[in-house]
Amino acid sequence: EVQLVESGGGLVQPGGSLRLSCAASGFTFSSYDMHWVRQGTGKGLEWVSAIGTAGDTYYPGSVKGRFTIFRENAKNSLYLQMNSLRAGDTAVYYCARAAAGTGNPDYWGQGTLVTVSS
Amino acid sequence: EIVLTQSPATLSLSPGERATLSCRASQSVSSDLAWYQQKPGQAPRLLMYDASKRATGIPARFSGSGSGTDFTLTISSLEPEDFAVYYCQQRSNWPYTFGQGTKLEIK
Repeated sequence: EVQLVESGGGLVQPGGSLRLSCAASGFTFSSYDMHWVRQGTGKGLEWVSAIGTAGDTYYPGSVKGRFTIFRENAKNSLYLQMNSLRAGDTAVYYCARAAAGTGNPDYWGQGTLVTVSS
Repeated sequence: EIVLTQSPATLSLSPGERATLSCRASQSVSSDLAWYQQKPGQAPRLLMYDASKRATGIPARFSGSGSGTDFTLTISSLEPEDFAVYYCQQRSNWPYTFGQGTKLEIK
C-alpha cells in the first residue's frame, strides 16, 4: 500500500525557517517524481515545488529562492526546506507522488500545517 | 503562468441528477488536464487525467472531455458521496496550476 506521511509543520515567526519531511512507503520511491502542494485555510490548491527522479527541481515564482525541495532515495524521503517564511505561506502542505507516465499526483499524504505568525 | 477558470463556483444538485463542471484555460494545455475531488479534511483525490482517462478505481459515472482550452467533467448520476469540491489542474507548462474549484453541494 502506498503511504506518504508528512511531518515538520508548526508555528514559525515571519522570516523564520522550517523543514518539512515526507516518508514514503509501498512503492519504489526513487522511480517517481514527487511534489509539494499547499492549501491555505478555506482556499484552493497551489503547487509549491516538484522534483524529478534525476533530481531536477521546479518552483513557482512565489517560492523560488526561498524554498528548496530535495530527496534522499536511500531513506525513501522527500523534504521541503522553507526559508524567509511569510504570512502568506501559511497552509497545509501536502506531499504527493506523481503517477508514472502522466505526472499528475495520484497519491497524497494527509498534509502538515504550517502557520507563519508572530 | 496558465490560469484555469472553473465554472460555476457552486453547483447545487440532487442525488441522481447529472452534474457538468467546466474548466477553461488561459492558453492551450492540449490534453494535459486532470480533475481532482476533495472532501473536507481530506487530501485531493485524482479522478481524471489526460482530460478523459479515469484514474484507478474511479467509477464509470465520472467522465471527462475537452482539449485545448475548454474542458468538462461530467458525473452522470450523482451519488451522495460525490458532493465535494472539484479542481481542474494543468501539467502542460510549469508551474502546474489548479483552478479555483467548483463546490458541488446537495440541493
